[in-house]
Formats: sequence, C-alpha cells, structure tokens
Amino acid sequence: DAGITQSPRYKITETGRQVTLMCHQTWSHSYMFWYRQDLGHGLRLIYYSAAADITDKGEVSDGYVVSRSKTENFPLTLESATRSQTSVYFCASSEWGGAATEAFFGQGTRLTVV
Amino acid sequence: GEDVEQSLFLSVREGDSSVINCTYTDSSSTYLYWYKQEPGAGLQLLTYIFSNMDMKQDQRLTVLLNKKDKHLSLRIADTQTGDSAIYFCASPKPGGSYIPTFGRGTSLIVHP
Repeated sequence: DAGITQSPRYKITETGRQVTLMCHQTWSHSYMFWYRQDLGHGLRLIYYSAAADITDKGEVSDGYVVSRSKTENFPLTLESATRSQTSVYFCASSEWGGAATEAFFGQGTRLTVV
Repeated sequence: GEDVEQSLFLSVREGDSSVINCTYTDSSSTYLYWYKQEPGAGLQLLTYIFSNMDMKQDQRLTVLLNKKDKHLSLRIADTQTGDSAIYFCASPKPGGSYIPTFGRGTSLIVHP
C-alpha cells in the first residue's frame, strides 16, 4: 500500500528497556521526520533526515537514536525508555521541491512507559 | 518564545464561523500551512498560503496573512461537527532550512 506507515500502533514498555518504533514510506521522499505529541506542547521535532545516511537532531533528541540506511525507512530507538518518553510519536515524510511542500504523516504510535 | 504560537482551544456552535489564529516569528517563511488532526489520526495538510499573498480562499476555508504583524488566521465558514479536530499552524523552521515547525495546535470543538 502506498503511503507512510508506522508500527506498532500501540506499545507498552518498561522503564529502562530499549524500544524501536518503525516508519516506512513508499514515495521515496527525501525528508523524513520524527515528532512527539504531548498535551500542551503540540508537536516537537525529535530527529530528521534529509536523505539516506544523513540525520540531524531536533529540539528534543536526548534519549533517542535514529538511523536511515535506506530512503524508505527511518526507525526511532529509545535507548533506555523513561516515563517522560510516554507520548504519541509521529513519523512524517516530504519531498522538498521548492514549491509548497506537504508533509505526510503516519497514523502515530502511542507509547506508554511504565 | 516559540517559533509558532496558537491559542489552545476554540468552541463554536454548529453553523457559525470559526477563526483560528497563529503568530510566527520567521519573516522569511515562503509558505505557511494549516494542518488538521482528527482524533486518533496523523496530521493532514488542510491548506497553505504563499507569503506574497494576503488571502486565499478554498470552499469554506479562508486563510488570511498579515506579514507585517506575522499573523496567520484560518476561517472556517458554516462550521460542522465534522470540523471538530486539532488545527496546527506550521512554518519552515527559522534559518532557511525546510523543516516543518508546528504550533501547539488549537482544539476546535463544535457543538450543536
């Protein structure tokens, strides 16, 4: 199916465990992003990638790691989960074309750290 | 302050007009965007406006841009219960790169 998909949709994990959230897009968009959404904070950028093997930190990157070995995949890893990382995580992709550039979002992963 | 700021809540009656406001900091933004998030879903682009425009109309949606005050608004005419959602204003991150920066979102509640 064409689009951007995230997995899993829901995840409960324990404090201190490593957890990886997956993101896959079928358009071959250059840019990919990870955001977290928290009440009162809106969407905050965790990491982004301009192309395969190029990643950069966003405003809330501490405790997270990303990789992008293939254009279509952009996994996000929480190295040692903390309760403060309980959130809804959104992956997005876009193709920078100079004109109005739309970001396409996945359905989100709701992560609970207990 | 934040790059993009919005009020958090708006409650309107069905059939009335809704106006959602946003202020941004980067005067060099080429485009400004409105995204809509329905319950349990990701964001979807609703509309956008090019920075050299003052107004853009698209069916029930009207976007107004005041560049001098760095103020963006989204007006929804004849608001319906299906318009209940969170609306995000977005602009490229200051500094010239293309990274969408979002406001905190305005929760629009439409009641009968």
